[in-house]
Amino acid sequence: EDQVTQSPEALRLQEGESSSLNCSYTVSGLRGLFWYRQDPGKGPEFLFTLYSAGEEKEKERLKATLTKKESFLHITAPKPEDSATYLCAVPSGGSNYKLTFGKGTLLTVNP
Amino acid sequence: EAQVTQNPRYLITVTGKKLTVTCSQNMNHEYMSWYRQDPGLGLRQIYYSMNVEVTDKGDVPEGYKVSRKEKRNFPLILESPSPNQTSLYFCASSPSRPLYNEQFFGPGTRLTVL
Repeated sequence: EDQVTQSPEALRLQEGESSSLNCSYTVSGLRGLFWYRQDPGKGPEFLFTLYSAGEEKEKERLKATLTKKESFLHITAPKPEDSATYLCAVPSGGSNYKLTFGKGTLLTVNP
Repeated sequence: EAQVTQNPRYLITVTGKKLTVTCSQNMNHEYMSWYRQDPGLGLRQIYYSMNVEVTDKGDVPEGYKVSRKEKRNFPLILESPSPNQTSLYFCASSPSRPLYNEQFFGPGTRLTVL
């Protein structure tokens, strides 16, 4: 069964304190991995897609990386507005249409 | 404005009373999907549709029905709601298969079944 595990469940940082979120997966034949951001009471918002091991993508203070077993979302010098739940997802069940999400990491950045 | 809309946004109902949650997108997207989000369980896919008249089950389809008669609409039907279907529901769409396209999510529908 395809699985996505995110850690930690929650992370509290001080403004400017860099850290990383982890997304590990067990799928047969990874075809892509997605990162989304979700603010309280809102729908998830797309951040990145990574397709192959070694790939990296950046957006402002966020950088996503991918290995054969896991992905990291690195947050450099975070600001309070980066506080959100970060979700990762993979295509699952051998389908390009079916997605399995992790449970997310709740990030809180204190001023 | 390009968007995914859901109605209603909040609904409290009773066990067994059939209900429909509507989802509409104005971006001419082929792919649409329904998810439910529960504390401790995360976001789980209920059903998805690759195009008009083409739908398939996600991970948690039991107790739900969908139809895709028009490209822009993808309603979620609960024929006989039960308390374990109390959840936050999201509809999403993408230009085609989500593997190669970002999904755009609606604002969510909070459903309570008493």
